[in-house]
Amino acid sequence: EDQVTQSPEALRLQEGESSSLNCSYTVSGLRGLFWYRQDPGKGPEFLFTLYSAGEEKEKERLKATLTKKESFLHITAPKPEDSATYLCAVNSGGSNYKLTFGKGTLLTVNP
Amino acid sequence: ETGVTQTPRHLVMGMTNKKSLKCEQHLGHNAMYWYKQSAKKPLELMFVYSLEERVENNSVPSRFSPECPNSSHLFLHLHTLQPEDSALYLCASSQAGMGLAGGPNTGELFFGEGSRLTVL
Repeated sequence: EDQVTQSPEALRLQEGESSSLNCSYTVSGLRGLFWYRQDPGKGPEFLFTLYSAGEEKEKERLKATLTKKESFLHITAPKPEDSATYLCAVNSGGSNYKLTFGKGTLLTVNP
Repeated sequence: ETGVTQTPRHLVMGMTNKKSLKCEQHLGHNAMYWYKQSAKKPLELMFVYSLEERVENNSVPSRFSPECPNSSHLFLHLHTLQPEDSALYLCASSQAGMGLAGGPNTGELFFGEGSRLTVL
């Protein structure tokens, strides 16, 4: 069974203080690792897909990286509007449609 | 209307009631999903419809009954629910040619804002 563990559960940063969120996974044949952002009272919003170890994707202040066991979401010089819950999910060879999600990391960026 | 819309946004029901959640996507996608989000738990996949055919049923109790009359609409019919079914129910859609990891825009689920369900 696929497993996804995100750490830390919560992270509080000052504006401009860079940091990283971790997503560790155990799957039988990774087909894709996905990052989503969820604001309070809203559905998750897609950020990135990563397919193979060594791959990197960037979007504004966010950069996602992937190894064979984990993924990192690096946040450079965050702003208060980056505050949200960041979700990691994996798709494995067991299903074309099923994403297994982690519990998420709640990021708070203080001005 | 754009994106994925869900109604109602909030629902309170007793254990003997019957109600339905509705989802509509305006993105031209061919796959639709129901997810359950409970506090302190990961999102749980409930059902997936691809080209109006149910392709995933993730061991969901029969008191939840999905319906997909066409590629733009998805319903979740609820009956004799339990208090532990209280949660945020999220609908999503995607353009799935070969599934989430095998085609264009792979892994990109478009979620609605959810229906917050409280069972008394």
